[in-house]
Amino acid sequence: DAGVTQSPTHLIKTRGQQVTLRCSPKSGHDTVSWYQQALGQGPQFIFQYYEEEERQRGNFPDRFSGHQFPNYSSELNVNALLLGDSALYLCASSLGAVNTEAFFGQGTRLTVV
Amino acid sequence: AQSVTQPDIHITVSEGASLELRCNYSYGATPYLFWYVQSPGQGLQLLLKYFSGDTLVQGIKGFEAEFKRSQSSFNLRKPSVHWSDAAEYFCAVRVSGSARQLTFGSGTQLTVLP
Repeated sequence: DAGVTQSPTHLIKTRGQQVTLRCSPKSGHDTVSWYQQALGQGPQFIFQYYEEEERQRGNFPDRFSGHQFPNYSSELNVNALLLGDSALYLCASSLGAVNTEAFFGQGTRLTVV
Repeated sequence: AQSVTQPDIHITVSEGASLELRCNYSYGATPYLFWYVQSPGQGLQLLLKYFSGDTLVQGIKGFEAEFKRSQSSFNLRKPSVHWSDAAEYFCAVRVSGSARQLTFGSGTQLTVLP
């Protein structure tokens, strides 16, 4: 049983560029959440997708957007990259949107230069 | 807004010694509480969770945690630490009901001495 898979594992982008990160949820899960983890900090909630809609959003600017596909996989898009966007981006999947256990992927390490 | 505090940034223990990692949360409603572990360059692995019921919960890898409502705490414990336990540990909270997000503490880095 594959767990949560994220791609790519590492990425280097230039300031001002755009990036797309991908996540496949654990088998049987229908909800995907995205988190940003800056170096030395705990993960910060970006947003959650359920039934192909954004259900809740954390304190992140509109440069951060997402999408969920009918097969429950998800993408995180970040436009106009800033140096401060450099972080580990974690995807978590769960069954149902509320009050269930979340399983995390290994993350995508984004470096903005 | 809810918040999670892990007062110890870094803890060092000797292999075989006992361990306690502290976690305090700030929220009035009944929270759902979690402890996650993260090895270098890896994602988060769930160690244990508290939703309701018995306030002492058992997790994987020999860890346990106790929910104390009066102290707003959910401390993680292990009676005998192994070298492989060296990692970063995160406490997280989710408000019960309609909330969807996990709020994490800033983490405690555990070093295990041989």
